[in-house]
Amino acid sequence: GNSVTQMEGPVTLSEEAFLTINCTYTATGYPSLFWYVQYPGEGLQLLLKATKADDKGSNKGFEATYRKETTSFHLEKGSVQVSDSAVYFCALILISGGYNKLIFGAGTRLAVHP
Amino acid sequence: EPEVTQTPSHQVTQMGQEVILRCVPISNHLYFYWYRQILGQKVEFLVSFYNNEISEKSEIFDDQFSVERPDGSNFTLKIRSTKLEDSAMYFCASSEGGGVSYNEQFFGPGTRLTVL
Repeated sequence: GNSVTQMEGPVTLSEEAFLTINCTYTATGYPSLFWYVQYPGEGLQLLLKATKADDKGSNKGFEATYRKETTSFHLEKGSVQVSDSAVYFCALILISGGYNKLIFGAGTRLAVHP
Repeated sequence: EPEVTQTPSHQVTQMGQEVILRCVPISNHLYFYWYRQILGQKVEFLVSFYNNEISEKSEIFDDQFSVERPDGSNFTLKIRSTKLEDSAMYFCASSEGGGVSYNEQFFGPGTRLTVL
């Protein structure tokens, strides 16, 4: 079946540290890949996306590269800030009959300390 | 910037009662979705809706659930007889299209449903 696996959290970092959150997927077909972020008390916001192999999505200093050979879409940021503390969800979408449904990973909580 | 809105932000109900969660999708979007997130768990797809009918639904979306687009702007999720396990955050989303080029979904802020 189609699924997304993320590294378990929480991830605790000091400000300005390097961040990696691993994400791998299993999909029947060619998915588009996404990272969503959920700040405390808020809904889901699209952080970045990639729709084909070797595409790199980027936003707010975060990056992720679509790696078809390793079925991965790891999220990275060179220098995290306290304001990046949130839950990060990796997700994929497949065209099933033309109606898209997002399949999410379990989420990884990031806590950044000053 | 256009956004998806949801009301209420928090709904408390007694077990067995009916609830209706409301969403206003982005105005030119044609595809609508409901997801839910039980506290501390992953976000799960419930249903997608296009052209006034359900396109796809998950096994969670049983006979107790229904969706409707009663007018040109609102999109609702009804739970006929709520159970304790329906307590969750419910997210509405919409997208402009359903093909590869238009599959970005925009999410509302969610409605937290608490069933007592």
